[in-house]
Amino acid sequence: DAKTTQPDSMESTEGETVHLPCSHATISGNEYIYWYRQVPLQGPEYVTHGLQQNTTNSMAFLAIASDRKSSTLILPHVSLRDAAVYHCILRVAGGNNKLTFGQGTVLSVIP
Amino acid sequence: GPKVLQIPSHQIIDMGQMVTLNCDPVSNHLYFYWYKQILGQQMEFLVNFYNGKVMEKSKLFKDQFSVERPDGSYFTLKIQPTALEDSAVYFCASSYWGGYNYAEQFFGPGTRLTVL
Repeated sequence: DAKTTQPDSMESTEGETVHLPCSHATISGNEYIYWYRQVPLQGPEYVTHGLQQNTTNSMAFLAIASDRKSSTLILPHVSLRDAAVYHCILRVAGGNNKLTFGQGTVLSVIP
Repeated sequence: GPKVLQIPSHQIIDMGQMVTLNCDPVSNHLYFYWYKQILGQQMEFLVNFYNGKVMEKSKLFKDQFSVERPDGSYFTLKIQPTALEDSAVYFCASSYWGGYNYAEQFFGPGTRLTVL
């Protein structure tokens, strides 16, 4: 699977909208973009995923660049519960569904 | 939402002993996974399992490791014998689909294994 690059950390204030960037310059046409998040002492939690079109669900909005070389996870109105490590992961369609985690972005939320 | 349970939450054993980590996956899920996370490091895939068989394993899945899900009950990871470098948090996950039809993986809270 291709590699992703994320900032080590970001900080936000409660109620703000947060934009978490992810670079994947060598992404292949059959690679999906997934986002998981993990808080201390818990397992990762699925946030969203997409291939080419922007996607939205109750947790977040995923904006995918037209050339697919980058994406941004947008968290509206963050709360303290959104403080976590956010992982941007690529997965090849047809693979064995394993997730390859990097270091991710540590999101801190200030009250 | 659906929950994956892991038993025990913490296990301390002496090097060379056998240990079994238990995972209670989401009830209708068909695909099962183990991941390993050493403190301060990124999480790494160990193995995935479907229909009674290992589908894929990483180089971290040493010969001393084995997985099974007898009679559709717990999905287990057994390490025999354990080594100091096996100390880590082990996360179990399950999903309904796997392979081409991706489905989100639901993770348990992890079992912290300490090998002395």
